[in-house]
Amino acid sequence: GAVVSQHPSRVICKSGTSVKIECRSLDFQATTMFWYRQFPKQSLMLMATSNEGSKATYEQGVEKDKFLINHASLTLSTLTVTSAHPEDSSFYICSAENSGRSNEQYFGPGTRLTVT
Amino acid sequence: DAKTTQPTSMDCAEGRAANLPCNHSTISGNEYVYWYRQIHSQGPQYIIHGLKNNETNEMASLIITEDRKSSTLILPHATLRDTAVYYCIVVYNFNKFYFGSGTKLNVKP
Repeated sequence: GAVVSQHPSRVICKSGTSVKIECRSLDFQATTMFWYRQFPKQSLMLMATSNEGSKATYEQGVEKDKFLINHASLTLSTLTVTSAHPEDSSFYICSAENSGRSNEQYFGPGTRLTVT
Repeated sequence: DAKTTQPTSMDCAEGRAANLPCNHSTISGNEYVYWYRQIHSQGPQYIIHGLKNNETNEMASLIITEDRKSSTLILPHATLRDTAVYYCIVVYNFNKFYFGSGTKLNVKP
């Protein structure tokens, strides 16, 4: 089946630093990828849509200058949390839409970010 | 915003069928109903999706009412490993998924 990976699975960083999270589609091409954030005991919240070769589109209330998204290839999207603060600590999950089968979307395993 | 309503939690005995309801009364004609589940601290796992007709795969069955305002996910023989949060999602607008709060299914021995 289709596989989406995320790296790292866990990361701890100091307040004020930046951290990059990678999302890869391993066995299919993904023109579109999505980034979500999930706080403890809450549901997933869509942050942004990542489009290969173009700028990401952000959901209302999500700061585009703080959450930088790059989708440089058909299999890789990155999310960079800039100047991280403790309130950015969360579970970040990506999903990738199979370009050849637009009704299929697969989720990565998530990245646990802790900002100290 | 999520366009679905689900019960907060449900219990099911192991080996019995689990029937998870979802209301999506404002669904539009071209919007699909998707079901995913999330086991603690993992990414959501795809279960099934449908538009109008009932669907079945190796994991589950999806029953969509004729007016499409509600649906039911059926796990025919629940096991302990099916304990998870189940999300019903109405998908529109370039396949963006807006998750609701989901149903926590507790499968008990």
